[in-house]
Amino acid sequence: DAKTTQPTSMDCAEGRAANLPCNHSTISGNEYVYWYRQIHSQGPQYIIHGLKNNETNEMASLIITEDRKSSTLILPHATLRDTAVYYCIVRVANRDDKIIFGKGTRLHILP
Amino acid sequence: SQTIHQWPATLVQPVGSPLSLECTVEGTSNPNLYWYRQAAGRGLQLLFYSVGIGQISSEVPQNLSASRPQDRQFILSSKKLLLSDSGFYLCAWKPRLNTEAFFGQGTRLTVV
Repeated sequence: DAKTTQPTSMDCAEGRAANLPCNHSTISGNEYVYWYRQIHSQGPQYIIHGLKNNETNEMASLIITEDRKSSTLILPHATLRDTAVYYCIVRVANRDDKIIFGKGTRLHILP
Repeated sequence: SQTIHQWPATLVQPVGSPLSLECTVEGTSNPNLYWYRQAAGRGLQLLFYSVGIGQISSEVPQNLSASRPQDRQFILSSKKLLLSDSGFYLCAWKPRLNTEAFFGQGTRLTVV
C-alpha cells in the first residue's frame, strides 16, 4: 500500500470549514483514499473514501486532485465534537489483508 | 445489523501475569478480523489480522499471540505480560465485500 503524509496538527474555529490535507504521491491506479477519525479514548470511525471523483456524505466531503497525488477532507461546519485525530489511508478496496494507519492529523476545533 | 463486542473495557494486570482479550462480531459471517494496539500518545499499531478460522498473520514479533477459534471470535493472549504491553487495544472487523473497517470500543490495559 502507498504511504501518506499528513500534517501533525491543525486548528479550526468552530463553525468554519476544516480542510485536512493528505499527500499520497505514490498512489497506484487501483488504490482508494480512505479517511477515518479517532475521538479520544474511542476506536476509529470510518468517514469516507474515494477513487478519483470527489465524494460527499453526511459527515464530510473528499476532494481528490486530478493526478490523485493528494486529497483534502472537508468538514463543512466544524463543531467541538469534531476534535479528533484524522487518518488518511490509501489501499486497494476489498483486499483481504492488513489495514495500516499512519500518525494522522490531530484536529483541534476552537470555540 | 452488525455489532462488535470487545471486553473488558479496562484491565489492570501485574507484570508476568497472563492476558486474554476477547472480541466477537455479530450479524456477519467470514469477516476479516484485526487487533491493534495504541500506546499512550502514539499511533495505531497493527498486531494481528485474520482472514479466516485458524488463519493468523502477525505484524509485530512480541510476546503476544492471537487465535481465531470460531468465525466471529478473535482472541489476543499473552503468557507473561511486560510493562511495555500497556496500552489501548482495539479489535476491528471488515466485511469481505466492503471497503471500510469497524472498530470496537477498546480495552485499556495497564500493566503494573
